Order: sequence, then C-alpha cells, then structure tokens
Amino acid sequence: ETGVTQTPRHLVMGMTNKKSLKCEQHLGHNAMYWYKQSAKKPLELMFVYSLEERVENNSVPSRFSPECPNSSHLFLHLHTLQPEDSALYLCASSQDDMVWEQGNIQYFGAGTRLSVL
Amino acid sequence: DAKTTQPNSMESNEEEPVHLPCNHSTISGTDYIHWYRQLPSQGPEYVIHGLTSNVNNRMASLAIAEDRKSSTLILHRATLRDAAVYYCILRDYSGGSNYKLTFGKGTLLTVNP
Repeated sequence: ETGVTQTPRHLVMGMTNKKSLKCEQHLGHNAMYWYKQSAKKPLELMFVYSLEERVENNSVPSRFSPECPNSSHLFLHLHTLQPEDSALYLCASSQDDMVWEQGNIQYFGAGTRLSVL
Repeated sequence: DAKTTQPNSMESNEEEPVHLPCNHSTISGTDYIHWYRQLPSQGPEYVIHGLTSNVNNRMASLAIAEDRKSSTLILHRATLRDAAVYYCILRDYSGGSNYKLTFGKGTLLTVNP
C-alpha cells in the first residue's frame, strides 16, 4: 500500500464509450501525475498537476481529459479512445513539484489496466 | 535529461547480493541519481537516490563512482520479492520546478530460489 489508490484496476471499453479513471492519494501531497505504460515501452508522462493547477501536458491527444478537483483527487476522463490507447495508466503523487530532492520522490498507485476494443 | 544505460536483464540467486549497474557518462553536476523499481502488476516504487556519496537505506545501497559517470544499486540479500524491473533515472535540480521522471527500459531482475 503506497498511499495512492487507483480505481478501477481493470477496464474494458469500446471506442465509443466514455469512462473515467480515478486516483486518490492519502499522503497530503501537492502534486499529482498521470503516466501511460504501453507494452514494451517506457513509462510516458502525460499530465502533471501542482496545487490543482495543470503544469504539464505532454502533447496528449484531447480524447484524454484530466481533472484535478482538489489536491487529493485526480481523474482521467476518456472518450472515443483507439485500440492503441490500451495500456497501463499509472497515477503518482509527490510532496511538491518544485526543486527539493525529498519532495520530488514520487509515489505510484498500482495502475488501471485499460483495454480498448 | 542526461541518458542512462542499464543491462536489459540480470539474474541472481536468492539470499545472494545483487549489483545492478547504471552508466551515465553525460551526467551533469546537478543531476541526482534516482532508482525506482516496478514489481509485477504494480506501479513503480522509489528505492534510493544520491548525488555524490554512497547512500544506504532499508531497501538497498547506492554506490556512486568518484567521477559520477556510473553507479551501482546493491541489494544485499536478494529475495524472491525483489524480482522486478529496476530503473536508474537522473534528476536535474539545477533550478526551477522539476517534476519529471524520465523512465528508460530498466533492468529486469530475475531471482532464482
């Protein structure tokens, strides 16, 4: 248990569906992240939120829409996905996004395994 | 971020020490060396980090070469639960906000009983 909880753990959706991934952190952190891990590829950073404000959007297609209503919760809204979007989606949090070595240690959830049919 | 090079895979026997190497010949003076690992069906977890001096914690030790162009993660007694992909990552703390963890392919560690 890392203090970062992701739901659901598994999700199967069709290309026309709309679904949301949820992440909750119980660590009192100020920064939260979404990563994508495709088969046989390194983890890719998608979005970064610091104090509920988006500070990074790594050229992610608009069919992925993040939302951070407060510093403890992070959502990834999905719509009209493609089969190539099938991957493990990981959420992480850290104390801060600023330059502070201890504050930058990231704690990851177990991920949501997404399959797009 | 400066690049790191790790072997694709390594094998170890249970209860023996494991030395996981990482080369980072283009490391800058402000780069910290971080190690994370990812167990099967889980997200990555932080292991250890350091700048110049060797570091120890409850999970592992980090030995950093004097010229900082390489480092070694040491697991003193490997267990079956240490089987994972180990990532060596450089983090630049030279200024401004820096939240990025740039993952490579890492080293897949297999631990034999």
